[in-house]
Amino acid sequence: DQQVKQNSPSLSVQEGRISILNCDYTNSMFDYFLWYKKYPAEGPTFLISISSIKDKNEDGRFTVFLNKSAKHLSLHIVPSQPGDSAVYFCAASASTGNQFYFGTGTSLTVIP
Amino acid sequence: DGGITQSPKYLFRKEGQNVTLSCEQNLNHDAMYWYRQDPGQGLRLIYYSQIVNDFQKGDIAEGYSVSREKKESFPLTVTSAQKNPTAFYLCASSISRISYEQYFGPGTRLTVT
Repeated sequence: DQQVKQNSPSLSVQEGRISILNCDYTNSMFDYFLWYKKYPAEGPTFLISISSIKDKNEDGRFTVFLNKSAKHLSLHIVPSQPGDSAVYFCAASASTGNQFYFGTGTSLTVIP
Repeated sequence: DGGITQSPKYLFRKEGQNVTLSCEQNLNHDAMYWYRQDPGQGLRLIYYSQIVNDFQKGDIAEGYSVSREKKESFPLTVTSAQKNPTAFYLCASSISRISYEQYFGPGTRLTVT
């Protein structure tokens, strides 16, 4: 059973606009969340993280929001750039656990 | 230049043959991981190792084996017992088990026919 879900397989956004990628999780024990970015034929690269003690974390154009009651997190990219076109994975972990659980990914296309 | 290397990038094998995928890191990380990615699915954990000479099964370990004789190396063997071995395999490492950021290699695409 998929514990981390990204229900939108793809998203297209105009350059300069905001991209919002969503992620839902089912395990209430998850307390640390990551976003990774992946280009074709490459391994994922770490983008941004958030722990459950926060509801927002910002790094430049990237902001992650966490809604613990809804078991939902989102990644905002503002402004979107063509180089942001990639697959984005969210991942979740419990501090008592040994692994991350990954979502299925959302393919973002930023249109120039 | 620190990082994780996986070789080869593409690998082709006949059904019934065992094949070993290489993963090397020079980040001085204690923990290493193997994931499998299939189309439309997230990364699924095959095996992980927190220290040398120790490793644990992940969610989909059946048909796979690993070794961790050196800190830098964590090879994965896909055995003939693995029913659907064709996939994209990713190796990752992190400073320690409690370190949350994992660094990934470029991956190996294995095709078994």
